[in-house]
Amino acid sequence: AQTVTQSQPEMSVQEAETVTLSCTYDTSESDYYLFWYKQPPSRQMILVIRQEAYKQQNATENRFSVNFQKAAKSFSLKISDSQLGDAAMYFCAYRVSIGKLTFGTGTRLTIIP
Amino acid sequence: GAVVSQHPSWVICKSGTSVKIECRSLDFQATTMFWYRQFPKQSLMLMATSNEGSKATYEQGVEKDKFLINHASLTLSTLTVTSAHPEDSSFYICSARLGQALPQQYFGPGTRLTVT
Repeated sequence: AQTVTQSQPEMSVQEAETVTLSCTYDTSESDYYLFWYKQPPSRQMILVIRQEAYKQQNATENRFSVNFQKAAKSFSLKISDSQLGDAAMYFCAYRVSIGKLTFGTGTRLTIIP
Repeated sequence: GAVVSQHPSWVICKSGTSVKIECRSLDFQATTMFWYRQFPKQSLMLMATSNEGSKATYEQGVEKDKFLINHASLTLSTLTVTSAHPEDSSFYICSARLGQALPQQYFGPGTRLTVT
C-alpha cells in the first residue's frame, strides 16, 4: 500500500524568510503524481503545486517550488519569501495515474511577523 | 479553476436522524467524486469513491449502509449519514475529478456535521 509521511507536525518561519516542508512516500509504481495542498483556517483545500513523476524538472509556482527526488522517494516543498497568508496546514499527497489520493498527516505552518 | 460547492456548510442534527450533504461541480462534469472525512487536527481520510451512474466504492472500515452515497448525475453527488450518532460528528469534504486519468481534483469547502 502506498503511504505518505510528513515528519514535521509543525513548522514556523519568519515572514519573508524561506521554509522547507518535508514529505516522503512509499510506492512500487513508476508513474504517479505528487501534490502539495494547503488547508487554511477556512478548511478549503487549495492545490499549491503538482509534480508528475515522469518529469525530472522540479515544479515551480511563483514562490513555491519542490525538490523531487524520485529515487529517494522524497518530495519537499520550499516556500520562499513567506507571507502571513501562507499560514495553514500543508498536506503532501500521492496518486497513481488512475487512483485515489493518499494524504500525509500534514504540517502546520506558522508565519511569525 | 473549477468550482465545487457543498451544501450545507454546517449542520446540527439530533442523534438517530439522517442528514444529507450535497456536492456539486459548478462548471464542469465530474465523472468521479470522492468523499472524505476529517477529524480535528487530522488528515483527510477517504470514505468512498463514486462514479456517475454506478455504485460507490467504499474504503475498508466505512459502513456503506450508514454512509449512503448517490452520484446521480455528472454534477451532483450526495452523502447521507443515516441514523447519525455523536461519533459521526466530523468535517466532511467532497472532491470532484474530470476523468479518471486527469491529475487535478477539485475540493469543496466542506461540511461540518455536529450530532447532538
